[in-house]
Amino acid sequence: DADVTQTPRNRITKTGKRIMLECSQTKGHDRMYWYRQDPGLGLRLIYYSFDVKDINKGEISDGYSVSRQAQAKFSLSLESAIPNQTALYFCATSPRTGELFFGEGSRLTVL
Amino acid sequence: ILNVEQSPQSLHVQEGDSTNFTCSFPSSNFYALHWYRWETAKSPEALFVMTLNGDEKKKGRISATLNTKEGYSYLYIKGSQPEDSATYLCAFDSGGGADGLTFGKGTHLIIQP
Repeated sequence: DADVTQTPRNRITKTGKRIMLECSQTKGHDRMYWYRQDPGLGLRLIYYSFDVKDINKGEISDGYSVSRQAQAKFSLSLESAIPNQTALYFCATSPRTGELFFGEGSRLTVL
Repeated sequence: ILNVEQSPQSLHVQEGDSTNFTCSFPSSNFYALHWYRWETAKSPEALFVMTLNGDEKKKGRISATLNTKEGYSYLYIKGSQPEDSATYLCAFDSGGGADGLTFGKGTHLIIQP
């Protein structure tokens, strides 16, 4: 089993729908991140959390929200999905100052 | 927004040849430089995390150097093999991860048999 698990792996939805992407980890890391990948662009940071009570906006947080339900769980929500949120989304974890460990990715298509 | 540039964007290399590519990043507020390897349909995986100017790291046929004063890092692959085909990402850390990492767009490497 993967150390960082994302669900769903693929999702097609319609404009205006609410979508939640979930991430859980078994690595025991405090730090968790949500990144977005678009063709031709680098991974861009949406939100990150260093603890259960800690939420921080990244470079492109508009249109997204997150919830850190437990040390092991970090969810990303799109309250009202729009087509330009079609992308590959990655959850990642890290120890305090170390490398990132990525989930398998969630491919979201908004029609 | 921090500027992290990788070049070239894509690279075709003959099997057995050696190759290298570049990551440039801001020379101020440096904490660490990460290299990741991202194979198609898989997750990015860390190759190196580099923190010291002049640092050189090696993993098998892959090595990396770091110049924090001028703001660049090189990744070298010696004797390329088909399994080296992947996108190689660098990421700049300005604060010990306090603000997340800023990624470059990657170098897409294709090894031709």
